[in-house]
Amino acid sequence: GAVVSQHPSRVICKSGTSVKIECRSLDFQATTMFWYRQFPKQSLMLMATSNEGSKATYEQGVEKDKFLINHASLTLSTLTVTSAHPEDSSFYICSAREQGDQPQHFGDGTRLSIL
Amino acid sequence: AQKITQTQPGMFVQEKEAVTLDCTYDTSDPSYGLFWYKQPSSGEMIFLIYQGSYDQQNATEGRYSLNFQKARKSANLVISASQLGDSAMYFCAMRERWNRDDKIIFGKGTRLHILP
Repeated sequence: GAVVSQHPSRVICKSGTSVKIECRSLDFQATTMFWYRQFPKQSLMLMATSNEGSKATYEQGVEKDKFLINHASLTLSTLTVTSAHPEDSSFYICSAREQGDQPQHFGDGTRLSIL
Repeated sequence: AQKITQTQPGMFVQEKEAVTLDCTYDTSDPSYGLFWYKQPSSGEMIFLIYQGSYDQQNATEGRYSLNFQKARKSANLVISASQLGDSAMYFCAMRERWNRDDKIIFGKGTRLHILP
């Protein structure tokens, strides 16, 4: 089955640090990847749609300069949380989709804690 | 208005019983897909089952089946013979064809507790 690898699984860092999260599709090519944020006991909130070779499409209310997304290849997308603050602490999860009616396959998520 | 509605925030079910998790959706797109995902406490999202709007038969995957009632716009997940390992958060989701961004819209989820 389709596998999506997300790294790192957990990050604890000081306020003001920039954090990069990687999302890789291991056995398929993903022209589109998605980044979600999930607060405790809540549903997934789509942050942005990442298209290979073009700029990401951000959802309303998501700061582009805060959450930098790069989709450099068909198998890799990165999310960089710039100058992270405690309010950025959350569970971030990526997904990737193959062509057609295939479901999105999710990475295992990254738990980000900003001190 | 919510596009995906899951009315059961939490459910408690005895082990080995069947479980039905409710999901209703709202769309005017004639072509769409419906998904169910499971999220254990560890956080990963696990794809369970998919139903296309034009599929003639209800989708089934092992112990999971999707009770698709198109006219009522409902897509309930049925888990037969529940197991302790089924305890998790379950999300219903929809993707509309005319959504060029290919976004999936998630419901708020149902937390399922299987009791021994």
